[in-house]
Amino acid sequence: DAGITQSPRHKVTETGTPVTLRCHQTENHRYMYWYRQDPGHGLRLIHYSYGVKDTDKGEVSDGYSVSRSKTEDFLLTLESATSSQTSVYFCAISEPTSGSGWDTQYFGPGTRLTVL
Amino acid sequence: KNEVEQSPQNLTAQEGEFITINCSYSVGISALHWLQQHPGGGIVSLFMLSSGKKKHGRLIATINIQEKHSSLHITASHPRDSAVYICAVRGGSEKLVFGKGTKLTVNP
Repeated sequence: DAGITQSPRHKVTETGTPVTLRCHQTENHRYMYWYRQDPGHGLRLIHYSYGVKDTDKGEVSDGYSVSRSKTEDFLLTLESATSSQTSVYFCAISEPTSGSGWDTQYFGPGTRLTVL
Repeated sequence: KNEVEQSPQNLTAQEGEFITINCSYSVGISALHWLQQHPGGGIVSLFMLSSGKKKHGRLIATINIQEKHSSLHITASHPRDSAVYICAVRGGSEKLVFGKGTKLTVNP
């Protein structure tokens, strides 16, 4: 299994509070991703990174920011959490093999976030 | 916008049965992925394919680019195959677009 950890694994917070989720990898993969998974939806991309300090938005980026100051860590921040951000968050990593970073992705165990 | 549709949404089978899960998409793609999400939530990549067929153990994935359709087959199904199977496609934007998944339950 790829070495990917997420912390915390579970979090309950209140509306309006800031929340930071951490993804840590030991594989030295260049690409890292944050997805959210909600009932009735497929996995949806929030933000991704294609290198240290290189990030871009996904389809559901509003209300989220990210940072990647070193290869192994990718942080997802909810500046002011809302109930609509209650979800399961997955981090994933990949290393380009066919010229694309969107090759096989390895997923972390997920973080269940509840915003009350 | 690329849509990914999976069918069926839910599938119940008896141990030993041959299983087929389908994935259809609406635009041209460069690759298609099949993933498995375990009952505990963990997600594992099974296949990435852009043409033809791939096989790994009892799992077979096929893709027909002209018909914009892929199938995932499981031969001699087993209760441990119970999971959600997710199709994802890589289109022009290069980003992955995911289907909603097919929940498979295999009864002993």
